[in-house]
Amino acid sequence: KAGVTQTPRYLIKTRGQQVTLSCSPISGHRSVSWYQQTPGQGLQFLFEYFSETQRNKGNFPGRFSGRQFSNSRSEMNVSTLELGDSALYLCASSAAKGLATGNEQFFGPGTRLTVL
Amino acid sequence: AQKVTQAQTEISVVEKEDVTLDCVYETRDTTYYLFWYKQPPSGELVFLIRRNSFDEQNEISGRYSWNFQKSTSSFNFTITASQVVDSAVYFCALSEETSGSRLTFGEGTQLTVNP
Repeated sequence: KAGVTQTPRYLIKTRGQQVTLSCSPISGHRSVSWYQQTPGQGLQFLFEYFSETQRNKGNFPGRFSGRQFSNSRSEMNVSTLELGDSALYLCASSAAKGLATGNEQFFGPGTRLTVL
Repeated sequence: AQKVTQAQTEISVVEKEDVTLDCVYETRDTTYYLFWYKQPPSGELVFLIRRNSFDEQNEISGRYSWNFQKSTSSFNFTITASQVVDSAVYFCALSEETSGSRLTFGEGTQLTVNP
C-alpha cells in the first residue's frame, strides 16, 4: 500500500508569489491534516480536512488556505508569500476523524518551501 | 489549552548508553492521546508509539520503552543501548479527543549518538 505522497518535494519562490502544495493520502483515508515546521516555531497545525470539509484550523493568517477533493487528495495554498513562510510543510492522513485507537495518522515526506 | 513541553533541546550520548527523553503535557480533556515520533534528517515523521489517557500501562518494544504517568502528566521515552542509527529529532505530541486529528507537538529533542 503506497504511503502519503506530497508534491513537489522542493520549491523555491519569491516574496509576493503564491504557491500550491499537493498531498495524496493513503488509499482509503479520508482525513488529511497539514502542518508547518520551522526552526523558530517548530511543528504547528495548519488545518484538517475530512470528506471535503475543513474540520479544524490552526492559528494562521488567511493567506493560508486549503481544500480537499472528492478523492481525498488535498491541496494547500499560500498567497502573497513572505520570507517567514519558508518551511517544511507536512501532510498526514488517517482513515477517519480523530485519533482514537485504530485510526492512526501517517505523515508524508513533506514539501520544503524556500521563499527568497 | 493543550501544550507539550520537551525541556531537552539536545542530547548527546556515546553508543550503547541508555538515554531518556522527557515529555510533559497539559490538557483539560479527560480523553487524550499521546504520541512519540522520530524525524530523521530526511524530514519524514516516523510514528513510534501511542498511548491513550485511560491506558497507563508502560510498554517495551525492543530497545525502546515508554513510561506514561498521568499523575505527573509525563510520557517519557527511553532508548536502551543506543545506536548511531537512533540519531534523529524526537517529538512528543498530544491530541485531545475533542480536537479531531489535530496534534500539538513539543519542541523536539535532537538526539546524537556518537560511535
